[in-house]
Amino acid sequence: DTAVSQTPKYLVTQMGNDKSIKCEQNLGHDTMYWYKQDSKKFLKIMFSYNNKELIINETVPNRFSPKSPDKAHLNLHINSLELGDSAVYFCASSDRDRGGYTFGSGTRLTVV
Amino acid sequence: AQKVTQAQTEISVVEKEDVTLDCVYETRDTTYYLFWYKQPPSGELVFLIRRNSFDEQNEISGRYSWNFQKSTSSFNFTITASQVVDSAVYFCALSNFGNEKLTFGTGTRLTIIP
Repeated sequence: DTAVSQTPKYLVTQMGNDKSIKCEQNLGHDTMYWYKQDSKKFLKIMFSYNNKELIINETVPNRFSPKSPDKAHLNLHINSLELGDSAVYFCASSDRDRGGYTFGSGTRLTVV
Repeated sequence: AQKVTQAQTEISVVEKEDVTLDCVYETRDTTYYLFWYKQPPSGELVFLIRRNSFDEQNEISGRYSWNFQKSTSSFNFTITASQVVDSAVYFCALSNFGNEKLTFGTGTRLTIIP
């Protein structure tokens, strides 16, 4: 069973469209994250949720809206996609006490 | 503010050589975690190790070893007897004990030449 699963793995879309990326973890972790990896491989946190509450929002444009329906899910919705949004988006989850910090396999978003 | 520096952008070594990847970090926190992740060409992020700031013991796992030195704020990673499958981008990362947000270095691309 995949511990942190993201869908879709690849997403190609036109500028101006709205799209969502879904993430689910079956590790029982309390905290979930979205990270963005740009074309130069630089990884940066976007959001963090703990038990469905937003903890971190790292100066991300408000076109990006995370939604956590429960602590096992953290979805990312992006409105009015721009060329600069093209990147790989990673979902992750962590458990502070047990020390796990696991990433999903990534979603490669290409905006054309 | 937290910062992680991986000064080596790219390294190439011949198979079976040993290689060390450097990581230097900055934080004002007295308690924190340090991580290494591997990103192979397939793109996933593979967890390698997490150390907390209280534990300065070096760690060895098979051909991998890590040297944590608080005095120099470094957490270096050595691969012994490198193999082609070790070719990947390696990231060092830092988080505090509070919110577990990872601050990543810019990565080191390691190429093992057969």
